[in-house]
Amino acid sequence: QKEVEQDPGPLSVPEGAIVSLNCTYSNSAFQYFMWYRQYSRKGPELLMYTYSSGNKEDGRFTAQVDKSSKYISLFIRDSQPSDSATYLCAMRPSGGNTPLVFGKGTRLSVIA
Amino acid sequence: DTAVSQTPKYLVTQMGNDKSIKCEQNLGHDTMYWYKQDSKKFLKIMFSYNNKELIINETVPNRFSPKSPDKAHLNLHINSLELGDSAVYFCASSNTIEAFFGQGTRLTVV
Repeated sequence: QKEVEQDPGPLSVPEGAIVSLNCTYSNSAFQYFMWYRQYSRKGPELLMYTYSSGNKEDGRFTAQVDKSSKYISLFIRDSQPSDSATYLCAMRPSGGNTPLVFGKGTRLSVIA
Repeated sequence: DTAVSQTPKYLVTQMGNDKSIKCEQNLGHDTMYWYKQDSKKFLKIMFSYNNKELIINETVPNRFSPKSPDKAHLNLHINSLELGDSAVYFCASSNTIEAFFGQGTRLTVV
């Protein structure tokens, strides 16, 4: 079993839809949970991160972490064509400088 | 002002050649990484450096040799390139939480 599992999609939704992206993980030491967005031929850029369990909201984006289920989600409200990208979940234990462990990424297309 | 910059952006080379990719960060971070992204977009850690010292080498062939002359720079030298080395290589730097990525170097070995 891979440390971080993420459905690669592709996922195609109409403009204005609510998008739900998810990852599961197996390492209970993970404490920081992040979502990166990667446009074609660009580097990943950090969207948001959460520490331990709970929710975090930033504009149209909401991240949720359920450590008891080892499950994290990213919700995108009122999706826009400019949201079309690959979304990568990533996580790491707390403390030190251990590298992020990434999911495989979900490719999202928002159709106008 | 680019936070993490890599050069070159594209690299096409023949099998057996030796090539280098350079990375610089101006964020003042102590930790830098090299990741490899395959054709299916999976990002896998290769090396991790903290304050110029190698701290993680994820079973990467020894044809790959990272070098960190100072904590703002982490270069990657690859000897005897093979077809399977074709991928996008990302440099990143990190504080203790977030990692910031460069724009990637697309390496094609022919």
